[in-house]
Formats: sequence, C-alpha cells, structure tokens
Amino acid sequence: DVKVTQSSRYLVKRTGEKVFLECVQDMDHENMFWYRQDPGLGLRLIYFSYDVKMKEKGDIPEGYSVSREKKERFSLILESASTNQTSMYLCASSSGAQGPTDTQYFGPGTRLTVL
Amino acid sequence: AQSVSQHNHHVILSEAASLELGCNYSYGGTVNLFWYVQYPGQHLQLLLKYFSGDPLVKGIKGFEAEFIKSKFSFNLRKPSVQWSDTAEYFCAVKRYTGRRALTFGSGTRLQVQP
Repeated sequence: DVKVTQSSRYLVKRTGEKVFLECVQDMDHENMFWYRQDPGLGLRLIYFSYDVKMKEKGDIPEGYSVSREKKERFSLILESASTNQTSMYLCASSSGAQGPTDTQYFGPGTRLTVL
Repeated sequence: AQSVSQHNHHVILSEAASLELGCNYSYGGTVNLFWYVQYPGQHLQLLLKYFSGDPLVKGIKGFEAEFIKSKFSFNLRKPSVQWSDTAEYFCAVKRYTGRRALTFGSGTRLQVQP
C-alpha cells in the first residue's frame, strides 16, 4: 500500500513566521505535489516536482516555495505566513510510470491556521 | 487553461436513492478523467478513472462514471446510495500531454440520510 505521510495534522502559526510543511512517500514515486483545499474551491495546485531538485509552479505558487532534496521527501515552505494562507494543505505522489493515467495518492492533510 | 466544473455543490439524498453528480471540463484535447472521494476525516482516495476504451467506467463501492466526449462530461453515478457514501466527491482532469498534475473541480458534498 502506498503511504503518504505529512508531518503535522494541525498547525497554528503567527503572521510573518516561516512555516515548513513536510511530506514523505514510501513508494519510490517520481512525482510529488502540493495542493491547498478550500471550501467551494476544491483543490488547487501550488507546486509539483517530477524529480529530485526539479520543481514546477502550479496554479497558485505566490507566497510559497518548495524543496525536494531527496526523492521521498517534498517540503512546502511559506516564507512569511499570512492569514490568507490559512487552509488545508494536501500532499500527493504518483509513480510517473503510467504517464497521464497515473493515480495520485494523497496524504491526510495539514490544517494550517495563521493568526 | 483547462477548468473543471461541478455544478452540484451540496446534494442531500435518502438511502436507496439514485445518485448522479455532474462534471464538465473545458479542455479540447485528449484528457484522462478521475473521480476522487474524501470521507469525513479520511484521505482523498481514487474512486475511478477513465483513460481510453469503454466510456462507461466502473469503480469501487458500486460507483460508475460515463465519459461523453461530445459534451465534455464525466458524470458519476450510483444506482442506490448508502449512508456510508456521505462524503465529498471531486472530479479531476489531466491532460494527455503536458502538465502532469490534476486540475480539480470545486467538489460536491453528498449527504445521505438514513
């Protein structure tokens, strides 16, 4: 079974803090993704990575950066947290072997509150 | 840019009622289509996916979806819902070429009353 884990289920931070969200997958997947989930907006892609040290911007990258130093780990960084970044953050991974038909596997999510 | 529309934001049904959730996408090229489900407190998980062949796709837990290319639609159906189907359902699209990530719809919250 594919397992995607996220470092925290709940996180509370203050405006201006630097925030790190960590994601680890245990299936040697090539691709990893960060989404944010907001009511009425569904999931929106922030960044994704298709290889170690490779990354691409998604639809809403402003205010975020990412790091992928090892294949199994993909970090999302909020350089200076703001209240409009209060959201549920979901990490996902996919093998890359099936190309366009790849299934993405999701972690449990981190609910971030910025005060 | 492609987009995905889910027209029903909140659906309330009684047990044994039939379900159909709408999904339309805007991209004109070849796509792969997915339905994901998120049960309360659980991970998002794949219900079913379409990539080629028979446009009627069967998934887990008795769900199915039909791809109608001329209508750019991929509606989710279940003939008889159960209380345990209470969840949020997301339609997603991936282009056959180009970006490897999914584009999701806004989701439909299904509430099944016993």
